[in-house]
Amino acid sequence: DIQMTQSPSSLSASVGDRVTITCRASQSISRYLNWYQQKPGKAPKLLIYGASTLQSEVPSRFSGSGSGTDFILTISSLQPEDFATYFCQQGYSPPRTFGQGTKVEIK
Amino acid sequence: EVQLVESGGGLVQPGGSLRLSCAASGFTFSNYEMNWARQAPGKGLEWVSYISSSGTTVYYADSVKDRFTISRDNAKNSLYLQTNSLKAEDTAVYYCAREIGVAGSDAFDIWGQGTMVTVSS
Repeated sequence: DIQMTQSPSSLSASVGDRVTITCRASQSISRYLNWYQQKPGKAPKLLIYGASTLQSEVPSRFSGSGSGTDFILTISSLQPEDFATYFCQQGYSPPRTFGQGTKVEIK
Repeated sequence: EVQLVESGGGLVQPGGSLRLSCAASGFTFSNYEMNWARQAPGKGLEWVSYISSSGTTVYYADSVKDRFTISRDNAKNSLYLQTNSLKAEDTAVYYCAREIGVAGSDAFDIWGQGTMVTVSS
């Protein structure tokens, strides 16, 4: 199975900060990488698929990059509604493994 | 409105069984592959099972293989997860999720609200 490792596991940031989250796959997954946002008590929400394509209605302050084994999620200017947990997921082959999550907290 | 609604969760003793259901609406259910994922309290997401649009291909996480069975009824727009021989470590919120193939990447674009399964004596 492909293992997905995110870093950091948590971070503290202020409104307006630029935030980056890294996801690494245990083998090459081309660009088949998805990012999700989850708020407490809610289901995950698809943010980015194919490493860099924003899902419909996702704000442009979110962006994704990378290919092969290393990927980055960037929030260019953190907004109050962005405080949440972010998960990466490989869409390359079953099982569709997730990273362990990165919790973005208010500094 | 495109929607998935899970049901069937609850409190069950170790070794017991539950059948989880997921009702789909607002889209042509039979055209989509579907998945179950779960999240233990305070933990991350774990993919559990996959079923193809026709139901002929299924996959399971090693942690549930031989205990859980995924199925679907396209005539009823419904997805199911039969969970047997439940263990304490199966305690989690169970989500159904629609899978789409976009930009070559299989992603889960629609999720249900989740149903809680608690395994405890």
